Parts: sequence; C-alpha cells; structure tokens
Amino acid sequence: QKEVEQDPGPLSVPEGAIVSLNCTYSNSAFQYFMWYRQYSRKGPELLMYTYSSGNKEDGRFTAQVDKSSKYISLFIRDSQPSDSATYLCAMGLSGNTPLVFGKGTRLSVIA
Amino acid sequence: DAGVIQSPRHEVTEMGQEVTLRCKPISGHDYLFWYRQTMMRGLELLIYFNNNVPIDDSGMPEDRFSAKMPNASFSTLKIQPSEPRDSAVYFCACKVDAGNTIYFGEGSWLTVV
Repeated sequence: QKEVEQDPGPLSVPEGAIVSLNCTYSNSAFQYFMWYRQYSRKGPELLMYTYSSGNKEDGRFTAQVDKSSKYISLFIRDSQPSDSATYLCAMGLSGNTPLVFGKGTRLSVIA
Repeated sequence: DAGVIQSPRHEVTEMGQEVTLRCKPISGHDYLFWYRQTMMRGLELLIYFNNNVPIDDSGMPEDRFSAKMPNASFSTLKIQPSEPRDSAVYFCACKVDAGNTIYFGEGSWLTVV
C-alpha cells in the first residue's frame, strides 16, 4: 500500500458545482496536511494547510482532515473554470522531513 | 523575491547525452529539493539538501543521476548518460528551516529521444 493514495481522475464538472477531492493515507504519524494546486505547465503552489483534524475554510475552499479515518478532503464551492488544474494532497511528519505527495487529481471545470 | 528559478525550461536531447538542470532557490531557504513528475508515478522526491549538504538521495533512480549544491544559491541535477525513460518534468523546490511550506519552481521539461 502506498503511503498516500489519490484518485488521478480526470474529474470534469460544470461551472458552479461543488467539487470534492480526497486522499487517504496509511501513516498515522503524519502531523500536517496540505493541498497544492498545479496549473498546466507550472509548478505546484500551496493552496491550503491544516495541522489538525477538522475543517479549515478559505473563501470557496474548505480543507477537511479526519485523522481517525486517515482521510483528507478538499471541497471547492461554486467552482470556476479558473479552478481547472491538478490538485495534489501532501502530508508531513515534522517540519524537517520531506512532504509525501499524492499523485494528483486533474480537475476540469466546464463553463 | 523572484521565486525558485530553474533552467532550462525545456530541453530535448538525444539518448546518451549528458543533461544538466539548474536551480536557484529562494534566498534564505535552507532546504532544497529535487523532484521528478510523470503521469505514471506522480511527484517523486529524488534528493534533498539542508544547508548545501545532501541529506537523503535514496530517491535518485540510478548512478546516472547526480546532484550538487556548491553554495546556498545554486544546485544542479545531472543525468549522464540520459535515456528515454528519463523524460519527465524535473522540479526544484525549497523551504525555510522552520517552515513546512515547500515552494516550487516552474520545472524543467526534459525529453530524451
């Protein structure tokens, strides 16, 4: 079993839809959880960062962590064509160990 | 700050040739990472440095791959000899010592024919 599992998609939704992106992980020692967004032909950039179980909201984006189930989610409300990108989950053990990334889910929001 | 700067952005080379990818990290960032991204395997960590010292190179696929960081503002990833299966996007990334956020460059798109 890989440390981090993420469905690669692709996922295609109409503009305005609610999008749910998910990752599962096997290492219960992970302490912090991130979502990176990667536009086509660009490097990944940090979108959301959470440190504990529960929800964190930032505008149209909500990151959710369930440590008991080893499951994290990213919700996008009122999705826009500009949200079309690959979304990678990432998680880490401590500040000085490298992040472990999921493979990424490719999302297309159709106008 | 200009962010992480990588060069070349695109390279097409013939099998057997040497490839050198370059990275200038964000000033003051103590950690530097080299990643490779493919559709099949996603984002893989190849090697990372802390204060210019290689910490973990267990992700380097073969002896054909080598990386150096001669100073805090420059790193190279070299493939010699290159093979078609090395075709991928290679990312350089960095972070500060006390932080968790990794900042990526725009990548070097390598095609080996």
